[in-house]
This record gives sequence, C-alpha cells and structure tokens, in this order.
Amino acid sequence: AQKITQTQPGMFVQEKEAVTLDCTYDTSDPSYGLFWYKQPSSGEMIFLIYQGSYDQQNATEGRYSLNFQKARKSANLVISASQLGDSAMYFCAMREMGGSEKLVFGKGTKLTVNP
Amino acid sequence: KAGVTQTPRYLIKTRGQQVTLSCSPISGHRSVSWYQQTPGQGLQFLFEYFSETQRNKGNFPGRFSGRQFSNSRSEMNVSTLELGDSALYLCASSLGPMGDTEAFFGQGTRLTVV
Repeated sequence: AQKITQTQPGMFVQEKEAVTLDCTYDTSDPSYGLFWYKQPSSGEMIFLIYQGSYDQQNATEGRYSLNFQKARKSANLVISASQLGDSAMYFCAMREMGGSEKLVFGKGTKLTVNP
Repeated sequence: KAGVTQTPRYLIKTRGQQVTLSCSPISGHRSVSWYQQTPGQGLQFLFEYFSETQRNKGNFPGRFSGRQFSNSRSEMNVSTLELGDSALYLCASSLGPMGDTEAFFGQGTRLTVV
C-alpha cells in the first residue's frame, strides 16, 4: 500500500533563508509521481512541483526544488529565499501510475516564516 | 486559462439533509478526483471520474456518491448528512489517467453540518 510520511509537524524559518521540508514514501510500484502542494489558511491546494519516478533530474520550479533520492525513497521540498507569504501548510503526495489519478497525501508540515 | 472552480465555497447544512457540490475542471482536463479533508483524518480520497465513468473509489460509505457530465464537470452528493461529514471538500483536475500528469485543485467547498 502507498504511504507518505512527513515527520515535521511544524517548521520555522527566517525570511530570506532556505528551508527543507521532509517527505518519505513507500510503494511497490516502480512507476509513480510525487507532488508537493501548498495550502494557505484559505484552504486552496496550490500545486508547487512534480517529480516522476523515472525523471533523471530533480524538478525545479522557481524558488522550489525537489530533492529526489530514489534509493532512500525521499522527496524533500527545498524552498529557497523564504518569503512571509510562504507561511502555510505543505503537503507531499504520491500517485502510482496504474491508471488511477488517486493521490495519497502525507499529514503535512506547517511552515512559519518569521520576519 | 481558468482554474478549477468549485461551488459553493461555503455551505451549512443540518444533520439528515443532503448536499450537492460542484466542480468544473480546467478546460481540456477530463479527469476529476474528489478529496475530503478533516483535521483528524487529513486528506482522504473519495472518488475519481474520467470520461463520465467512475474509475476508482475510496473507503467511504454509500452516502457519498458522484457523477461526471459530458463536459467533464463533476458533482458529488452526500445524503443523510452526519456531523462527521463536516469537512473541506476538494476536487482535483488533471488531463487523464495517462500517468505523468499534474493535478490541480480548486479552492474547495467548506461544509459544516449542524
């Protein structure tokens, strides 16, 4: 069964510093996708970044990068140059490529950016 | 390009009533998935539709149902509401079950059952 683990319930970072949010996953499917979403207090789930299991390079999207270590089954999100607006819940999710769009989510990490 | 639109944004219902939530996916997207988010259980998968067919269903009672129309818009229905159904309901839109595709969410419908 698929499983996503986010071990950091809360994280604090100073504005303009980088922060890493941890995510480990468990799956027996060799083909899968990994996602990170940001959820501000308004509730909307904002797509940040995607990494396919066969992608050779780590995904990057602006200030977001995904540190993908396949052998360790980890997919950590790195946010560079944190901004106050980055304060939110962050969710890691996985989808197995068996033809379903179902996402399995971790419990999330609450990030607080301090001025 | 419009994003995923969920209506209504907020809803208050009484125990025992039924409710219908709507989700319009991104233009060109044919897959819609629904999720329930509660503080206790986190984000849980409800069901997934593609081309008007339910492809996958989560572990929820039969009171939860859904459908998808030919224009890819989807509705989910919850009958005989219970207090525990109070949650944020999110729908996700994607191109389809072709594997390597991104999924985008709407703003959600916050349902309160009193």
